[in-house]
Amino acid sequence: EVQLVESGGGLVQPGGSLRLSCVGSGFTFDNYEMNWVRQAPGKGLEWISFISNGGVTISYADSVKGRFTLSRDNAKNSLYLQMSSLRAEDTALYYCARVGYSDSDAFDVWGQGVMVAVSS
Amino acid sequence: SSDLTQEPAVSVALGQTVRITCQGDTLRDYYASWYQQKPGQAPVLVIYNNNRRPSGIPDRFSGSKSGNTASLIITGAQAEDEADYYCKSRDSSGYHVVFGGGTKVTVL
Repeated sequence: EVQLVESGGGLVQPGGSLRLSCVGSGFTFDNYEMNWVRQAPGKGLEWISFISNGGVTISYADSVKGRFTLSRDNAKNSLYLQMSSLRAEDTALYYCARVGYSDSDAFDVWGQGVMVAVSS
Repeated sequence: SSDLTQEPAVSVALGQTVRITCQGDTLRDYYASWYQQKPGQAPVLVIYNNNRRPSGIPDRFSGSKSGNTASLIITGAQAEDEADYYCKSRDSSGYHVVFGGGTKVTVL
């Protein structure tokens, strides 16, 4: 079964740091580009970061650029989102998502999400 | 604010057809994809590359695009189609992904 599983969420104080992980299984992880998408409570989806299958190309939404760092370890089938200088507005459910088609940038597989709460 | 504009909410009678639209200038240059999200669940891809349906998605879901407007059409809506639907494409730089604000579909 193709699956993505996120972990690492929790409650953190403003200005703090957290590292999220996403582990893929059931597919050849290093063949796929990956993304993080977040959803604040009661709000819509917000794309925050992309990484190419080899990890060479990385991009960020303006809202997190300079504070979040995306990386991957294909040997461990893992994606990492290092979040620093966290703000209250970063409170959200964070999803990792796979780009599933070679001729498309659609996200065909999503994890179940991991919650990050930023509060004092 | 999003570069892609969707209706906040639409309703459809059981078995009838509903069209959800997504407007944005960048849709003239980039594909649209659509995601269904039910409460407490992760999003699910229902349409990609404007009008292609992933395996396992019922054929009552279809998509189209014309100019700066992409559409998701549900033909013969079922109770289980009640959900939030989000379109996705690219911003004007082409490097960043952008989601529409979402449309809540209610099946009456």
